Parts: sequence; structure tokens; C-alpha cells
Amino acid sequence: QVQLQESGPGLVKPSETLSLSCTASGDTIRSYYWSWIRQPPGKGLEWIGYINYSGSTNYNPSLKSRVTISVDTSKNQLSLRLSSVTAADTAVYYCARHGVQWLAAGFFDYWAQGTLVTVSS
Amino acid sequence: DIVMTQSPDSLAVSLGERATINCKSSQSVLSTSNNKNNLTWYQQKPGQPPKLLIYWASTRKSGVPDRFSGSGSGTDFTLTISSLQAEDVAVYYCQQYYTTPWTFGQGTKVEIK
Repeated sequence: QVQLQESGPGLVKPSETLSLSCTASGDTIRSYYWSWIRQPPGKGLEWIGYINYSGSTNYNPSLKSRVTISVDTSKNQLSLRLSSVTAADTAVYYCARHGVQWLAAGFFDYWAQGTLVTVSS
Repeated sequence: DIVMTQSPDSLAVSLGERATINCKSSQSVLSTSNNKNNLTWYQQKPGQPPKLLIYWASTRKSGVPDRFSGSGSGTDFTLTISSLQAEDVAVYYCQQYYTTPWTFGQGTKVEIK
């Protein structure tokens, strides 16, 4: 059973950088692709980007200039950095595993519980 | 970007009755390479992450009750709950993964009548 545990601050100041980590247990991070998705309070879902074990990434163009997703296979961990945040970046952030081994097929079969990040001074 | 539009935004169904949610994409999500529709459905309950129900438009994830079914092809898709149970109260989202950026529908809230 795959478990995903996120960590990171729940409050970030405007113009600063949001940083979150997601640690996978019960499975190796190597054989799957992994995505970050966010959900503003009371709103819908937005895909942020994905990474695979080799570090290959694909970002949503709406966020591409501010997003960096990285992976540390030795720690079974992926990370998200979002720079120059504003109140519009306030959301629950999820990491999620893609549903097909070795492929980027973008449906997500395991999700972390989610971390609410509030952007406020 | 592919725009995903769900209908209705909300619906109330009696216990044991059928619930039908529609999802329309602004362009086809059918891959000609494998003849599969790159469309998935999730269920989200309050305070929880989305839960995968259906992928490839009609493949039910292992462990998902068989009252949930997905159908459709190209640009028009449907999620059907054949006999609504109390635990099915949730928001349901469709999502296309045909091309990035992958995009979600706005969600459909299902309640008990």
C-alpha cells in the first residue's frame, strides 16, 4: 500500500517561495511518474506539473515560470517550489502518483492527504 | 488547453436511484495510437483528496464498487452511479490526460434527495 506524506510550511508570505516535500513509502519512487496538483479552498483542481525518477519534468504553462519540481530517489521524495507567490496561490497542494508504471499517463491512483498553504503577510 | 465542462453542476438523487454526470471536452481525447480515451473520473469527499474511480474512460479501478461505470468516447463522457448509496455523496471530477496541461472539469456535487 502506497502512502504519501507531505511536509512544508502552511503559511508563506507574498513574493516568497512556497516549498513542499512529498515522501513515498510502500513503493519505490523510481518506477512511476509523480505530479503536484492544487485546489484553492472551495474550488476545483489544477494540475501543476510532473516529474519522473530521472528528473524529466513537464509543467503547466500557466505556472511554468515559477515552478520547479525535483526528485530525490535516495530519499524516495519529490519536492515542489513555487516562487513569487501571491494570495491566488493559496490552496491545498497534493502530490500524487501516476497510475501506470513507467508511463506519464496522467491519471492519479494515489494521493497525499494534502497540505493547505496560505499566502498571507 | 482542453476545456472540460461537466453537467450538471449539482444533482440530488434518491437513495437507490441512478445518478448520471456528463463531461464534455473541447477537443477529442481519443488517442489514435492505442484507441483509448484519455479520460478519468475522481470522487472527492469533504476534507479528503480525490479518489480515482475510472480511467481510460471506462476502466474501473480495482476495489471501486461496480455501481460506478464510465462510458463515452471522443469528446462526450458519462459517469453513472447505478444505485446511489449514502456514501456516494461527494463531488465528482472528470479530467483529461490526452495532452498537457492536463485539465479537470469544474466538478459535480451529488447529494441525496
